[in-house]
Amino acid sequence: GQQVMQIPQYQHVQEGEDFTTYCNSSTTLSNIQWYKQRPGGHPVFLIQLVKSGEVKKQKRLTFQFGEAKKNSSLHITATQTTDVGTYFCAGPDDKIIFGKGTRLHILP
Amino acid sequence: ETGVTQTPRHLVMGMTNKKSLKCEQHLGHNAMYWYKQSAKKPLELMFVYNFKEQTENNSVPSRFSPECPNSSHLFLHLHTLQPEDSALYLCASSQSTSGLKNIQYFGAGTRLSVL
Repeated sequence: GQQVMQIPQYQHVQEGEDFTTYCNSSTTLSNIQWYKQRPGGHPVFLIQLVKSGEVKKQKRLTFQFGEAKKNSSLHITATQTTDVGTYFCAGPDDKIIFGKGTRLHILP
Repeated sequence: ETGVTQTPRHLVMGMTNKKSLKCEQHLGHNAMYWYKQSAKKPLELMFVYNFKEQTENNSVPSRFSPECPNSSHLFLHLHTLQPEDSALYLCASSQSTSGLKNIQYFGAGTRLSVL
């Protein structure tokens, strides 16, 4: 069946450093979604990418969708303590499948 | 506030108890979902309902029984649970179950502890 794999599982960065998480699908995706879950909170939708090679930015966050529509990345520039949390990608086609997430820790 | 309300927020139950989790969405969506989130399996889809009809049961044990009386309400009935069922149970809704309209809007979750 379809799988959505996310790496790394954990990432510790110094505040101000950059952070990247990667998402890979075993099949071509019609679109990909990214979510953020703060500690003690619930997943919150961040963005949806649809087009091959698409790049979208939200302030310090840059989202990319691969040319083959089988992978995606989320890059955070100059991390801040508010970026702490777990970032999930989700590859919905006929049913939504979430990656296992990347837990980001920020060291002050 | 996401427009998806879950109650109760916390629940402690014994293995012989029967309890129910409730979810209500105020977004006018047609699809609703139950997820289980634990340390071992971060986001595990349990059930999907689309226009009140169950479209997905992800091999969930029968001690979990969902009910969807209408597109705005979703319940999860629990009976004879096991300690390993302790987890955060998240409800979500979306406009549709497929395509570009299945963006998930999650509730705050019910933290369940089974003793």
